[in-house]
Amino acid sequence: QSALTQPASVSGSPGQSITISCTGTSSDVGGYDYVSWYQQHPGKAPKLMIYAVNNRPSGVSNRFSGSKSGNTASLTVSGLQAEDEADYYCTSYTSSSTLLFGGGTQLTVL
Amino acid sequence: QVQLVQSGAEVKKPGASVKVSCKASAYTFTAYYMHWVRQAPGQGLEWMGRINPNSGDTYSAQKFQDRVTMTRDTSISAAYMELSSLRSDDTAVYYCARGGASGTTFIDYWGQGTLVTVSS
Repeated sequence: QSALTQPASVSGSPGQSITISCTGTSSDVGGYDYVSWYQQHPGKAPKLMIYAVNNRPSGVSNRFSGSKSGNTASLTVSGLQAEDEADYYCTSYTSSSTLLFGGGTQLTVL
Repeated sequence: QVQLVQSGAEVKKPGASVKVSCKASAYTFTAYYMHWVRQAPGQGLEWMGRINPNSGDTYSAQKFQDRVTMTRDTSISAAYMELSSLRSDDTAVYYCARGGASGTTFIDYWGQGTLVTVSS
């Protein structure tokens, strides 16, 4: 299986909003409401930000939100802050009962 | 607070095997799947497989099916991942990661990672 498709990089200024897309197929993103998003700072382990498309774990800022339309899921970060600068990965459950990750998106806060 | 503490960095020669351990605490070990994910230097995340600590059942990505063995020891709340026939492109940070409430559909907590370097 090929990785889910994410833009390599996105950027925004403090206070602005950005959206990261994650495109798959009907066998993964489009077929299940099991898309999750992870934040990874350099040298650190990933951190869960969104699960089941649009659910935030306890402790994650409400500036992070998720959505899905067809085969594409999206992560929106509003009110950008310097600490949001990191790599972001989407993942989806698949029809093969596996987890499939996106290639990752580097978010730069200008 | 859920914690997953992994074993230390390893250096292996091509063709050898490596076994990474992952000790869980602050939750019921047998109630949550354990996944294994790796990340090559400068690259993205790659799902390798999962184990049901309660039953011992495993499921791995097709790419690793012939080389990966996942086990667990419920008496000490530990999971293990052994990768055999190592190649240079197996050089990566290997993470253990707990499955979320649904078990197989997402990951909620990650270990700190174990760097495995394969070099002659």
